Amino acid sequence: GAVVSQHPSRVICKSGTSVKIECRSLDFQATTMFWYRQFPKQSLMLMATSNEGSKATYEQGVEKDKFLINHASLTLSTLTVTSAHPEDSSFYICSARGPGQGKLNEKLFFGSGTQLSVL
Amino acid sequence: RKEVEQDPGPFNVPEGATVAFNCTYSNSASQSFFWYRQDCRKEPKLLMSVYSSGNEDGRFTAQLNRASQYISLLIRDSKLSDSATYLCVVNTASGTYKYIFGTGTRLKVLA
Repeated sequence: GAVVSQHPSRVICKSGTSVKIECRSLDFQATTMFWYRQFPKQSLMLMATSNEGSKATYEQGVEKDKFLINHASLTLSTLTVTSAHPEDSSFYICSARGPGQGKLNEKLFFGSGTQLSVL
Repeated sequence: RKEVEQDPGPFNVPEGATVAFNCTYSNSASQSFFWYRQDCRKEPKLLMSVYSSGNEDGRFTAQLNRASQYISLLIRDSKLSDSATYLCVVNTASGTYKYIFGTGTRLKVLA
């Protein structure tokens, strides 16, 4: 299979603090992971592509200094929301392409998501 | 125009009904196509890939029309448990695997 684990599942924090979200591929190595954000009743919006051993590629309009992405190993990517504000409250979700080079590799497997609430 | 467009619904159908969703995409170079299912406040789960020849998995049938740039999902004999949001996903850039999600179509199957 291709299991992606994401922690924490829910975070409530004060405005101005930083929050780190972890995304791990449990049974395979993921050289590329993707971070999405989803507001209520909206679709998943790609924030950035996280590449192991190199800098993340951010989508237009996403502040790289605010959303720090680190992909230090083949099984772990982290997203840190720095100086969080109430407008950053959202559902953040990571995903990775499946392992190997076959059809599984074309598919995305998701972590369970993190609901961030900034007070 | 959005890269991937879906009718947001909701589609309210009785149990046992057949329901179909369409999704259009704007990039003719798109390579891979998928339907995902998302329950409220949960992560999307892969329902099925969509191939040019069409494919079927039990009560679910997916079709791809490259000429018209749309994909479809047909659900037969709807169950209450099919109630969810169905997301159309398109890989829009060959080799770089940039996945774009549609807004999703909400389905509610009624008893």
